[in-house]
Amino acid sequence: GQNIDQPTEMTATEGAIVQINCTYQTSGFNGLFWYQQHAGEAPTFLSYNVLDGLEEKGRFSSFLSRSKGYSYLLLKELQMKDSASYLCAVNSWGKLQFGAGTQVVVTP
Amino acid sequence: ETGVTQTPRHLVMGMTNKKSLKCEQHLGHNAMYWYKQSAKKPLELMFVYSLEERVENNSVPSRFSPECPNSSHLFLHLHTLQPEDSALYLCASSQEPPGTSGTTDTQYFGPGTRLTVL
Repeated sequence: GQNIDQPTEMTATEGAIVQINCTYQTSGFNGLFWYQQHAGEAPTFLSYNVLDGLEEKGRFSSFLSRSKGYSYLLLKELQMKDSASYLCAVNSWGKLQFGAGTQVVVTP
Repeated sequence: ETGVTQTPRHLVMGMTNKKSLKCEQHLGHNAMYWYKQSAKKPLELMFVYSLEERVENNSVPSRFSPECPNSSHLFLHLHTLQPEDSALYLCASSQEPPGTSGTTDTQYFGPGTRLTVL
């Protein structure tokens, strides 16, 4: 079956770094997406990885290891506005399979 | 961000009502999607339309009926719903139809309709 696992919640202080892990077991793989979703709002696209390695985009970076079925999203220099749910999603045969999301709480 | 819009944002309905959710995308995309998001659960794909043709129906009950009159508009018609159907219903669109890979498959979401069934 399809399985996307990520922690339910993480707490970090402003200015710190947080790493959100995502492990997946899917029947196909055509890339992995990370989305950010603030409460009551639309999920917004953050990053896409299809090859192994690190993709950096400002304060956010995403890493992928296809052999390990593993990805992480790294948030640096945390800001209060980064408090949100972060969704990991795998493109498996053209369909996005989502994890349940990781709620990140940033404290002052 | 007004790329994908959804109306209404909130909807309360009884189990015998009939209502419709509307989604409109202004991105020139060719594929549109309906998802259901329940608390603490992963997004569940309900329907996929590619170039106005339904290409995916993830075993959704018939009380949910989608309609895609053109590539910019998507509707979800609701009738005789159950309380467990209460959730956030999200619409999304992507440039290319599903099945391709790469960033052209990136889905862009609307803000959702918060549905409560009494």
